Amino acid sequence: QQQVKQSPQSLIVQKGGISIINCAYENTAFDYFPWYQQFPGKGPALLIAIRPDVSEKKEGRFTISFNKSAKQFSLHIMDSQPGDSATYFCAPSYNNNDMRFGAGTRLTVKP
Amino acid sequence: DAGVIQSPRHEVTEMGQEVTLRCKPISGHNSLFWYRQTMMRGLELLIYFNNNVPIDDSGMPEDRFSAKMPNASFSTLKIQPSEPRDSAVYFCASSLNRGSTGELFFGEGSRLTVL
Repeated sequence: QQQVKQSPQSLIVQKGGISIINCAYENTAFDYFPWYQQFPGKGPALLIAIRPDVSEKKEGRFTISFNKSAKQFSLHIMDSQPGDSATYFCAPSYNNNDMRFGAGTRLTVKP
Repeated sequence: DAGVIQSPRHEVTEMGQEVTLRCKPISGHNSLFWYRQTMMRGLELLIYFNNNVPIDDSGMPEDRFSAKMPNASFSTLKIQPSEPRDSAVYFCASSLNRGSTGELFFGEGSRLTVL
């Protein structure tokens, strides 16, 4: 976890707003940059992921942006919904090894 | 398709007792990971295996913890003796490692309470 810093720790957004979560990393060998979503009582599940050959990937309301030079990637949730309320984790890694998670961001979307 | 299967889902035990958590990864996956989740420490990687071989156990908190993967379809995490500070949710996850990183599939977790 020491190599990954996630922010903010918690986030409250109104319904319809944009949620932005950031992840900073140190290891330049990382080649996989995922975001996982976890609901209470469940295990984390992959939400969206990007590889370093592209700078942005969009899947529906979810966009991941990657800044290789800054060693950061972020998750943007457009038109946030109450059902998006969950904890989000980044977990950059290299070659399927050492898959350590960020500290997590608890997102609350208010109706 | 069956996902990652963990057992037991809940375990309550007394300090000093041995605890064994079990995991069946998704068929065909060749990497297996054990995590521990607490409010204070978040989601910690304890140990991971590639092709049944332990690769890195530096996250195992102390000698009371041990993990095995005798075959591709089964893994155990054992705590002996257990202590109250071991109370947490323990997750097992598996993935298919084909030379580059892939998606982790998590089980539902085993919630351990040590009294």
